[in-house]
Amino acid sequence: GEQVEQRPPHLSVREGDSAVITCTYTDPNSYYFFWYKQEPGASLQLLMKVFSSTEINEGQGFTVLLNKKDKRLSLNLTAAHPGDSAAYFCAVLNSNNRIFFGDGTQLVVKP
Amino acid sequence: SVLLYQKPNRDICQSGTSLKIQCVADSQVVSMFWYQQFQEQSLMLMATANEGSEATYESGFTKDKFPISRPNLTFSTLTVNNARPGDSSIYFCSSRGQTAETLYFGSGTRLTVL
Repeated sequence: GEQVEQRPPHLSVREGDSAVITCTYTDPNSYYFFWYKQEPGASLQLLMKVFSSTEINEGQGFTVLLNKKDKRLSLNLTAAHPGDSAAYFCAVLNSNNRIFFGDGTQLVVKP
Repeated sequence: SVLLYQKPNRDICQSGTSLKIQCVADSQVVSMFWYQQFQEQSLMLMATANEGSEATYESGFTKDKFPISRPNLTFSTLTVNNARPGDSSIYFCSSRGQTAETLYFGSGTRLTVL
């Protein structure tokens, strides 16, 4: 079945620095990809979804890059601030129409 | 998008007891999913519930331990039977939106089993 590997599990950066989280997946027929943010004690909030073969999507303060050839998905917080401190999860919708999650990255942004 | 309302938000129960978690959607959805999340870890898909049919369980989860009902297109319940401390975690219901790709989540139920 699909395997989604997310790195790093923990990430600590200074305010204003960039933070990059990467996921790789195994099913080449996976066709929809997501990034979720989970603040402590809260539910999962959708940040971005992407589906094109190679796509860069920009949100508020972050960029998502999908490379289907390499089966790689990344989230880049361009200038992190303390409010970005949270757990981030990638998720992949595969050819069996099921969604698999990465193990998560605990991001800490220090002032 | 889909809004999912879950209750209770928290529960504490004794080992060996059972408890029910309810999930209500603000619109009709074909499938509801139940996820388990241990603290600061990933979400594990427990089962998929479609209206009028038995839920489909993932490896490691069984109908006897986690029976799920799906009586209509806006409602589902997850029961935790014979609760054990190892069941202490957060349980989320989720569902796809109208576009059928994006997964939306309820607020979660934090369960502590003593």
